[in-house]
Amino acid sequence: DAMVIQNPRYQVTQFGKPVTLSCSQTLNHNVMYWYQQKSSQAPKLLFHYYDKDFNNEADTPDNFQSRRPNTSFCFLDIRSPGLGDAAMYLCATSRGSPGVGNEQFFGPGTRLTVL
Amino acid sequence: QQQVKQSPQSLIVQKGGISIINCAYENTAFDYFPWYQQFPGKGPALLIAIRPDVSEKKEGRFTISFNKSAKQFSLHIMDSQPGDSATYFCAASDLTGANNLFFGTGTRLTVIP
Repeated sequence: DAMVIQNPRYQVTQFGKPVTLSCSQTLNHNVMYWYQQKSSQAPKLLFHYYDKDFNNEADTPDNFQSRRPNTSFCFLDIRSPGLGDAAMYLCATSRGSPGVGNEQFFGPGTRLTVL
Repeated sequence: QQQVKQSPQSLIVQKGGISIINCAYENTAFDYFPWYQQFPGKGPALLIAIRPDVSEKKEGRFTISFNKSAKQFSLHIMDSQPGDSATYFCAASDLTGANNLFFGTGTRLTVIP
C-alpha cells in the first residue's frame, strides 16, 4: 500500500545533542510537510517542501532545519534539542495540484523525548 | 489568531449515542474542510471531508453538516462505539498547491460502553 513512513517511531536524545528524523513516502506526492504536535494540541506546521522549494513558517525556530534529497525522502534536523522540543513530529504529504485530491496524508509520527 | 475554532474540547457519549463536534471558520477563501481522527500515539488519519458546494456528506456512521452562510461545519457520529474514542480535529484549507491546513484545537471523544 502507498503510504507515509516515519523512522524511528520513538527517539530519545539528550539536551543539546543533534537529532535527525526521517520521513519517506511511496505516494509520489510533490509536497512534504513537517508538523510538531505537543500533548493535547493540534499539529503545528513547521515547514513544507513543494518539490525542492522550501517554505518555512514564520514562527519556526532556527533550531529546526529540513532536507529533501529526492521526491521520496524528507528529513527533520533538530540542531540543539531543548526540553521544550519534546513532542510528536508528524510528516505529511499531498499531491500538490490545486483542487480535489490534494488532501494531506499523515505518517504515524516520531515521538521525541529529550533528556 | 485561531483560524478555525472547535468545540467542545472534550465529549463523553454513551455507546449507541450521537457525538457532535462543531467548528467555525472566518476565512471565506477556505473551500475544503476535512476531519481527522487521531488515536493516542498515532498520526492523524483523514476521516471525511467536504467541499462547500454541498451541505452534507455522509460516509457510514460519519456525517459532515456544512453551513456556508454561517461559516460553520460539524461532524456527527451516529451509533457511537467505544472504538470511536479518539481525538478529532477539524481543519480548513483553500486547496491550493501547498494546501496548508488550518487545524481546530481538537476534541477528545470518549465513548462509554
